[in-house]
Amino acid sequence: GAVVSQHPSWVICKSGTSVKIECRSLDFQATTMFWYRQFPKQSLMLMATSNEGSKATYEQGVEKDKFLINHASLTLSTLTVTSAHPEDSSFYICSATQTSGGRDEQFFGPGTRLTVL
Amino acid sequence: QKEVEQNSGPLSVPEGAIASLNCTYSDRGSQSFFWYRQYSGKSPELIMFIYSNGDKEDGRFTAQLNKASQYVSLLIRDSQPSDSATYLCAPRGGTSYGKLTFGQGTILTVHP
Repeated sequence: GAVVSQHPSWVICKSGTSVKIECRSLDFQATTMFWYRQFPKQSLMLMATSNEGSKATYEQGVEKDKFLINHASLTLSTLTVTSAHPEDSSFYICSATQTSGGRDEQFFGPGTRLTVL
Repeated sequence: QKEVEQNSGPLSVPEGAIASLNCTYSDRGSQSFFWYRQYSGKSPELIMFIYSNGDKEDGRFTAQLNKASQYVSLLIRDSQPSDSATYLCAPRGGTSYGKLTFGQGTILTVHP
């Protein structure tokens, strides 16, 4: 299957700082990438849909000025958590959509664990 | 009513048994259905997807879909301890367009 990478795999930062997370599709081009957040013992919650060359579409309740998404190329999307606070500590997972045979499949990155002190 | 509901767990089965995971969804426009497996601390990995009513088999896994009942299931035959994980059901389509809507997941434990 297709491979999606994320960097970094984990990050610890101080409250008030910004953190950038990268999501790359390694062996395919992804016009659409998704960003999810998962708190302990909860399911994945979609934060935003990232389309190459256009502004991201955010889910209700997600602050677009706090979670900045840039999809600069067909293989790279970035999520920047600005002015991070302890409540932003979570597991952030991206996925990339590969189209094959007229059907789409979503492949997930390994996730980034963010801890805000 | 939740958009996607999965049978409450945790589900515990002995090694070699059949594990049955169930999922109901509320959006009748959903067109495709995905099952993901997630190990603790890891991201989800795709196990199977199904688009048409009926059964779809892949190795030890069988997905079953009944759109009229808005029900999709995953059967795992000859369960192994390595199958112990959280299983996520995710319909796609309908009002959510290309986005996946995840259920809360069912924790499966296969004991030797």
